[in-house]
Amino acid sequence: ETGVTQTPRHLVMGMTNKKSLKCEQHLGHNAMYWYKQSAKKPLELMFVYSLEERVENNSVPSRFSPECPNSSHLFLHLHTLQPEDSALYLCASSQETFYGYTFGSGTRLTVV
Amino acid sequence: GQNIDQPTEMTATEGAIVQINCTYQTSGFNGLFWYQQHAGEAPTFLSYNVLDGLEEKGRFSSFLSRSKGYSYLLLKELQMKDSASYLCAVPNYGQNFVFGPGTRLSVLP
Repeated sequence: ETGVTQTPRHLVMGMTNKKSLKCEQHLGHNAMYWYKQSAKKPLELMFVYSLEERVENNSVPSRFSPECPNSSHLFLHLHTLQPEDSALYLCASSQETFYGYTFGSGTRLTVV
Repeated sequence: GQNIDQPTEMTATEGAIVQINCTYQTSGFNGLFWYQQHAGEAPTFLSYNVLDGLEEKGRFSSFLSRSKGYSYLLLKELQMKDSASYLCAVPNYGQNFVFGPGTRLSVLP
């Protein structure tokens, strides 16, 4: 148990589907993140929420829509995805930079 | 901006020592992190260096030279379970991180 829980662990969806990824942390951290990890590429920051406000959006396509209803939960809503969006989506949380991130186990997404 | 470089792959033998290098270029510096990631799993924290020198933690040590923009992770007495990707990361600003491409280490018997 890493302290950050992501569901589902695996997801297969069609390009016309709508689905949501969920992330939950009960570590008392004040920031949460979505990262995308594709094969042979560095982790790419998608969204940052600090104190439930979005502070970073790294030019992510609008087919990805984040939601942070409270400091413990983070969602990533997906719609009309493309096959190239297939990747491992990692959620992370942090309190202070000195302690780095705590990552969730990720959702392996396959778009067909 | 930030730029981080690591070797893509390395191979070593069980019981040996391996050094994984990381070079970085940053507009400011607020420490450097190493993470370990086994295939299909979450990255886990290994070390944090903010001052020059070597930080030792069991079989793993991490070194930092801020003047050279250089760090390495040293793994001793390699075990098969050390086969994983090793990610170098530096804070961008605030609590955001930029990650290197990762080094995939294969430990052979």
